[in-house]
Amino acid sequence: EVQLVQSGAEVKKPGESLRISCQGSGYTFSKYYIAWVRQMPGRGLEWVGIIYPDDSTITYSQSFQGQVTISADKSRGTAYLEWSSLKASDTAIYYCAREYCDSISCSSHWLDPWGQGTLVTVSS
Amino acid sequence: QSALTQPASVSGSPGQSITISCTGTSNDIGSYDLVSWYQQHPGKAPKLIIYEVSKRPSGVSNRFSGSKSGNTASLTISGLQAEDEADYYCCSYAGHSPYVFATETKVTVL
Repeated sequence: EVQLVQSGAEVKKPGESLRISCQGSGYTFSKYYIAWVRQMPGRGLEWVGIIYPDDSTITYSQSFQGQVTISADKSRGTAYLEWSSLKASDTAIYYCAREYCDSISCSSHWLDPWGQGTLVTVSS
Repeated sequence: QSALTQPASVSGSPGQSITISCTGTSNDIGSYDLVSWYQQHPGKAPKLIIYEVSKRPSGVSNRFSGSKSGNTASLTISGLQAEDEADYYCCSYAGHSPYVFATETKVTVL
């Protein structure tokens, strides 16, 4: 079974750094795109960016470019989302999700399955 | 990049059909057949229910169907059931952005 397991909830202060993780299992991690999606409290979904772990090709949403860093460690089967200096406005649930594969092909245009989400709270 | 537009809420009685519209622009929905729909129950992660405008992932009920016309995509849920009560989001490829989600639609089963 393809599964993504994310790291636990975090409580941080403004200005602190943070890295959250997303570990894939049940498939060859490096060969499938992993995306990150933000959901602010009571709000909708926002696409953050996507990485192809095999060669670390990364695409960021214009809104998140320069605000976060996406990376992956193939040997650990894990993708990461990182902040160097958190802001209160970064408070949200962050989901990772893998590109979806049907019986014919895979495509990073669609995301499934998803991780359980990581709640990041930034407050002084 | 502006979010796509969906109605804030849609409701229906069990057994009825409802349709959720998702309006974009010629820069996203209007230019690409790369529309997907996600269902999210409270406290849970989103789940893909429609991809490439109208295709259903394996295991998703055939009560869910998708379509597109011009800059607007639509999700129809037929034979509404209590378990369909959730938030629904459409998503479209948007070129250099490159993906944009809609604001959610809350579906209520009366």
